[in-house]
Amino acid sequence: DIQMTQSPSTLSASVGDRVTITCRASQTVSSWLAWYQQKPGKAPTLLIYKASSLESGVPSRFSAGGSGTEFTLTVSSLQPDDFATYYCQQYNRSPYTFGQGTKLEIK
Amino acid sequence: DVQLVESGGALVQPGRSLRLSCAASGFIFTDYAMHWVRQAPGKGLEWVSGVSWNSYTVLYADSVKGRFTISRDNGKNSLYLQMNSLRVEDTAFYYCSKGGCSSTDCHSGASWGQGTLVSVSS
Repeated sequence: DIQMTQSPSTLSASVGDRVTITCRASQTVSSWLAWYQQKPGKAPTLLIYKASSLESGVPSRFSAGGSGTEFTLTVSSLQPDDFATYYCQQYNRSPYTFGQGTKLEIK
Repeated sequence: DVQLVESGGALVQPGRSLRLSCAASGFIFTDYAMHWVRQAPGKGLEWVSGVSWNSYTVLYADSVKGRFTISRDNGKNSLYLQMNSLRVEDTAFYYCSKGGCSSTDCHSGASWGQGTLVSVSS
C-alpha cells in the first residue's frame, strides 16, 4: 500500500498568515492526489483534485501543487473559517490512502 | 444539490453483521463511482471501498477485504455496504461519498454524506 505522510501534524497560525502543508507519498502517485478540509463534527469537503485543480466553489486563496511523491497545499491569507483539519489522499493505486491529517489551529 | 444520506449504523457485537445504505439524489447516479470512507472517533480518515458506476470494478481496503461487500442499485440511486464478521476496530463513522467520475480512477470524495455511526462492542 502507498503510505501518505503529512507535515506538520499541527500548525498554529494567525488570520492573514500564509501557510503551507506538505504531503509525501511512499511511492509515486503521479498527479492523482486530492486535498480535503474537515471541521469538527462535519463531513470532509473536497478542496483540490488532480494535485492542483481547485474544486468549484473553493476560495482562490487555496492552491496546491506537486507531482510524483511530494505535494503542497497553500492557503495564501488565512481566514477564520479556514481553521480545520486537512487531509491529502492518493488515488493512483488502490487502496486509496489518506494522510494522517494536519490540524490548523489559531495562534 | 447533491444529497447523500447514510443509514443503518448501530451498536453491534463483535462477529455480527450490519448493512449500511446511502440514498443519493441531486445528480445522475449512474454518472459516478461511489465510495465508503470511515473515521474512528477522534481519528483520521480511512478509505474503505469503492465501486464503479456499472459495478464492474469494486475496490477494498486491506483491512476489510473478505469481510465487507460494496454494492449499488442504480435503479434505486442507492449504495450499500454489507459488513460481516465485524471487529471492535471497525467502530467508526461511515461516510458515503460521490466520486469524481464514473470509474474508480478519479478522486473519491467530490461530495459526502453526514455519516452513520457503527459501534462494535460486546
